[in-house]
Amino acid sequence: QVQLVESGGGVVQPGRSVRLTCEASGFTFSMYGMHWVRQAPGQGLEWVAGISYDSTEKYYGESVKGRFTISRDSSKNTVFLKMNSLRVEDVAVYYCAKESDNYSGQSPFDHWGQGTLVAVSS
Amino acid sequence: EIVMTQSPATLSVSPGERATLSCRASQSVGRNLAWYQQKSGQAPRLVISGASTRATGIPARFSGSGSETEFTLTISGLQSEDFGVYYCQQYNKWPTLSFGGGTKVEIK
Repeated sequence: QVQLVESGGGVVQPGRSVRLTCEASGFTFSMYGMHWVRQAPGQGLEWVAGISYDSTEKYYGESVKGRFTISRDSSKNTVFLKMNSLRVEDVAVYYCAKESDNYSGQSPFDHWGQGTLVAVSS
Repeated sequence: EIVMTQSPATLSVSPGERATLSCRASQSVGRNLAWYQQKSGQAPRLVISGASTRATGIPARFSGSGSETEFTLTISGLQSEDFGVYYCQQYNKWPTLSFGGGTKVEIK
């Protein structure tokens, strides 16, 4: 079965960096676009970033553009989110999510990880 | 950016009753609209895609309708496991995706 397991969260000081990792299994990773979605405490869902199945396309939400970088390593079935210049408003649970359609680039997310919490505090 | 607006913010429903949730897009998204269910402390779960197609394992009491800018999720005969927060998401204006603010379905 499909599994997405995030790691890398924790307490980070403002202005510092952290890299989140999502390890995927149970499907042909190289065929699907992957995304990061975050949820601030008590708030709704916010799309953060997405990467195409072949890494040729990468996209970001306005609030993280220029600070966050998404990448993937299909040899290790892993997607990353490098988060630089962290702010208090970046505090959230970060979810990794898989697109439902292969090679699509325009489909919803049919599987999600359990999330990893990033807390930004001095 | 396409803004997704959900109503109501909270819906109080008795078990066995029908729940009707609305989602409005600030511009047309065709039928590229999904609904997700999220229970407390859990990741979201895909319920509906393509405005009306139930995801794998989703029971028939869940139905979606609508197109362009107006969408509805209906849960007929609400069961205890259906309570939680429901989010709509547009994926028409790729690559910019957006979610609605959510509707909390609670026990009346």
